[in-house]
Amino acid sequence: RKEVEQDPGPFNVPEGATVAFNCTYSNSASQSFFWYRQDCRKEPKLLMSVYSSGNEDGRFTAQLNRASQYISLLIRDSKLSDSATYLCVVGPNQAGTALIFGKGTTLSVSS
Amino acid sequence: DAGITQSPRHKVTETGTPVTLRCHQTENHRYMYWYRQDPGHGLRLIHYSYGVKDTDKGEVSDGYSVSRSKTEDFLLTLESATSSQTSVYFCAISVPSGMGDTQYFGPGTRLTVL
Repeated sequence: RKEVEQDPGPFNVPEGATVAFNCTYSNSASQSFFWYRQDCRKEPKLLMSVYSSGNEDGRFTAQLNRASQYISLLIRDSKLSDSATYLCVVGPNQAGTALIFGKGTTLSVSS
Repeated sequence: DAGITQSPRHKVTETGTPVTLRCHQTENHRYMYWYRQDPGHGLRLIHYSYGVKDTDKGEVSDGYSVSRSKTEDFLLTLESATSSQTSVYFCAISVPSGMGDTQYFGPGTRLTVL
């Protein structure tokens, strides 16, 4: 079983749509969870950390289900500028150890 | 802006030649990382450093070496480049946060080995 799995997409949605991405991870000892955004030919950038209680940042909501080892990202009212690849990232709560990256889910928002 | 720069940003080289990529940070963070990103594989850790002269291997370290003689610089060397090392290389730093450490990435180096 791959360590972090994501549906690669692409997800093609119109502006204003709500879209959800899911991610599963295999290491039950994982302690830190993130969503990164990566634009074409650019570096990954932190979108948001994911907390056990769930968290929201504007139009973006992240959820974590430790029992099912499942992470989600919900984007409401999609904008053209949301078009990017979204990386699900999992790691231990310990510096110096590798984060495990999913391969990413591609989102394309059209007008 | 995490204050990370990488050089060169683009490089084309020939098989068998040595190549060194440089990562520079301005904020004296202890942990630094080198990843490569390839289609179908996502980001994979090559080596990391937890202090000056302290380094360790990652998932895909074969064919690579690293050095860190100063806190701000982390060098990645391909002793004898091969076509399989054609990739995009990202440097990252760890920044302490409430949920453990968060990693921030440099702009990347696009390397082509002919």
